[in-house]
Amino acid sequence: AQSVTQLGSHVSVSEGALVLLRCNYSSSVPPYLFWYVQYPNQGLQLLLKYTSAATLVKGINGFEAEFKKSETSFHLTKPSAHMSDAAEYFCAVSDAVSGGGADGLTFGKGTHLIIQP
Amino acid sequence: DTEVTQTPKHLVMGMTNKKSLKCEQHMGHRAMYWYKQKAKKPPELMFVYSYEKLSINESVPSRFSPECPNSSLLNLHLHALQPEDSALYLCASSHVGLGTGELFFGEGSRLTVL
Repeated sequence: AQSVTQLGSHVSVSEGALVLLRCNYSSSVPPYLFWYVQYPNQGLQLLLKYTSAATLVKGINGFEAEFKKSETSFHLTKPSAHMSDAAEYFCAVSDAVSGGGADGLTFGKGTHLIIQP
Repeated sequence: DTEVTQTPKHLVMGMTNKKSLKCEQHMGHRAMYWYKQKAKKPPELMFVYSYEKLSINESVPSRFSPECPNSSLLNLHLHALQPEDSALYLCASSHVGLGTGELFFGEGSRLTVL
């Protein structure tokens, strides 16, 4: 069984500061990992994904994440926060065996990112 | 076209009403999903259709009835719902048999049950 744990249900940073959202995964097989963002009353939008091609993954809106197998982590970062980054962020996992199937994703509980002016 | 389109965006219904949520995608995906999301919670998987056949039903109450008329369309029929069913209902689609399992989500249908 696979799972993801997001540390911190709320993270608050100042505008212009570094954003760090933490995600740890548990999977018995090589995982595919995703970060999605959800703005209020909207659906989920893919920020970036890890598919084993490269451990440092760059996504949209200046976000990136690094896959660290030894730490079973896939933390999301952005060098300089913008007010428009305020949203809910979900880390998700599918395993590489069934990732080509249709089992859906396993989501973390989410982290609410607050940007202070 | 990389969109998943959901209608209606908002729906208010009484407990005795019958209504439907609709979802459409034209990305050639052969898997389609319904998720339920309560406020401040992650999405919860309800149903998965793979090649237009129901492949996963996460023990959802029978008052929710999914339907996949063709590879582009997914419906969720609602009947005799309870106030606790009020939530954001998200449709998603993905490839089957190739790819990473990445899901493409619609904007959701906000359901309020009175």
